[in-house]
Amino acid sequence: DTAVSQTPKYLVTQMGNDKSIKCEQNLGHDTMYWYKQDSKKFLKIMFSYNNKELIINETVPNRFSPKSPDKAHLNLHINSLELGDSAVYFCASSQEGGLGRQFFGPGTRLTVL
Amino acid sequence: SQQGEEDPQALSIQEGENATMNCSYKTSINNLQWYRQNSGRGLVHLILIRSNEREKHSGRLRVTLDTSKKSSSLLITASRAADTASYFCALDQTGANNLFFGTGTRLTVIP
Repeated sequence: DTAVSQTPKYLVTQMGNDKSIKCEQNLGHDTMYWYKQDSKKFLKIMFSYNNKELIINETVPNRFSPKSPDKAHLNLHINSLELGDSAVYFCASSQEGGLGRQFFGPGTRLTVL
Repeated sequence: SQQGEEDPQALSIQEGENATMNCSYKTSINNLQWYRQNSGRGLVHLILIRSNEREKHSGRLRVTLDTSKKSSSLLITASRAADTASYFCALDQTGANNLFFGTGTRLTVIP
């Protein structure tokens, strides 16, 4: 069974559209994260959720909103997509917050045209 | 800067040789972690070294940490073509709630 899964794997859309990326983990972890990896492979933390509470909200545009219906899911909603949003988005989870190892999903490659 | 910086940015070696990559940082840390990312895939955790540890081994991997110099190194011995990937260090900084990743070293192992 896949530990951390994301859907879709690829997402191609037009500027101005609203889209969502889903993430699920079956590891029973308490904390989930969203990262953005740009074309230079730089990985930047966007959000994390611990027991359904947002504990980190980095300086990302408010067009991005994480939603966690339960401990096993952390979805990423993006409104009014812009060209600069094109990147690979990774979901991750961990048991110990920032102190332990993180388990990553396979990534979602978002292309905004 | 909160993130680590890997050096070199890219490394190309022959199969069987050893590969060494370094990570330097500027903040206080609880631990430092190394991850591998194969092309088109998510990151995979390799090893975690705590701030009070100086060296750690896992199979063909050897990690060192020098907190006085704020640097860490990852050594892969007897490299294989399957080791071709990008390697990232990640910092668990004191007082922070998430990891800060470096920019990665792209390793190519030539068969």
